[in-house]
Amino acid sequence: DAGVIQSPRHEVTEMGQEVTLRCKPISGHNSLFWYRQTMMRGLELLIYFNNNVPIDDSGMPEDRFSAKMPNASFSTLKIQPSEPRDSAVYFCASSFGGLGEAFFGQGTRLTVV
Amino acid sequence: GENVEQHPSTLSVQEGDSAVIKCTYSDSASNYFPWYKQELGKRPQLIIDIRSNVGEKKDQRIAVTLNKTAKHFSLHITETQPEDSAVYFCAASIKAAGNKLTFGGGTRVLVKP
Repeated sequence: DAGVIQSPRHEVTEMGQEVTLRCKPISGHNSLFWYRQTMMRGLELLIYFNNNVPIDDSGMPEDRFSAKMPNASFSTLKIQPSEPRDSAVYFCASSFGGLGEAFFGQGTRLTVV
Repeated sequence: GENVEQHPSTLSVQEGDSAVIKCTYSDSASNYFPWYKQELGKRPQLIIDIRSNVGEKKDQRIAVTLNKTAKHFSLHITETQPEDSAVYFCAASIKAAGNKLTFGGGTRVLVKP
């Protein structure tokens, strides 16, 4: 397995534009997590899914953020409209619920100018 | 929800010395405690983990201890080497909650040659 795959690796966009980040979890994993990492706030859990169902989205900063998981092999995190303070590295991670270990993707470095 | 505190935030050690990082958690239902290492510009990667039915676990130069009564766990790195320089994160999760990982704030470790 190639591991958790995220795209794009880097994204530079202008304030006000819509941004969509993509994630393909490891095949067979049934939990998927979206994290945001900044120097100031560390690794923050935004939302996680279990068996494609959103379980906890209390970490989503505001209504500009939304996430979907239409099937077991794909998830998106959308920011609309984007703002400079959204600039961060966004990680997707997946795990098999029974074991716990989470595997991270390579991350998407988002810069909003 | 779960809250994980991690100390110290930075740690500088001489090559060959030991490094100890400590974490506390708030939810007594947490039962899985992984440690991740993140090198500059890379994804967090699991280095060792411990479950609530175990008090200590070792893997070569790294070891983790868990005190469930006090709700704290620690990472010990012995005979540190320059390649141990990285940011280390502790985390806690609850299997019943879909293994939602809550991370500590991270410890930046610098091993001086």
